[in-house]
Amino acid sequence: KAGVTQTPRYLIKTRGQQVTLSCSPISGHRSVSWYQQTPGQGLQFLFEYFSETQRNKGNFPGRFSGRQFSNSRSEMNVSTLELGDSALYLCASSAGQGKGLGYTFGSGTRLTVV
Amino acid sequence: QQPVQSPQAVILREGEDAVINCSSSKALYSVHWYRQKHGEAPVFLMILLKGGEQKGHDKISASFNEKKQQSSLYLTASQLSYSGTYFCGTEYSGGGADGLTFGKGTHLIIQP
Repeated sequence: KAGVTQTPRYLIKTRGQQVTLSCSPISGHRSVSWYQQTPGQGLQFLFEYFSETQRNKGNFPGRFSGRQFSNSRSEMNVSTLELGDSALYLCASSAGQGKGLGYTFGSGTRLTVV
Repeated sequence: QQPVQSPQAVILREGEDAVINCSSSKALYSVHWYRQKHGEAPVFLMILLKGGEQKGHDKISASFNEKKQQSSLYLTASQLSYSGTYFCGTEYSGGGADGLTFGKGTHLIIQP
């Protein structure tokens, strides 16, 4: 069973540009969550999608957005990149919605903003 | 408000035991434990639900004290492969789902 696949693995962007990251969940998983990981702030929740609907959003500015497609694949977009957006972006999938379910993480996309 | 993990770091010899704690100031619905090795994805270890429970597999187990809103991860007879950063992720009681709120992590180094 394939795991959670994130593409690309590495990205270098210039301040002010925008970026789109992709996540394919485990087959059959319909919930996809996104997290930002930095040395200073640790793992922080960005948003969660289930059946193409955003169910929850963390405390991030509107420059961070996402969507989920009918095949459960998800993308997140960051517009007007800032140096502080440099981070490892992790996607996690879960079999269903609601609490008390385990998440499987992908290997992440390492974004560097210069 | 993120949960507080302790200790921040621990160095052990192979075969020694370790305990990692995770405390929350808010009522918890569940506690998730993950291990992350450098450059890799966090790997799910186990989840504990409110009601207070213990779980374990192999030599890694965990407990959840609902009264104290605290969870502990126990690593027994540690192996070199246990090295990594351990995170607890919490879900809070109450309506809705807010995603996981993670602690800052505990760095575990196992030496031969």
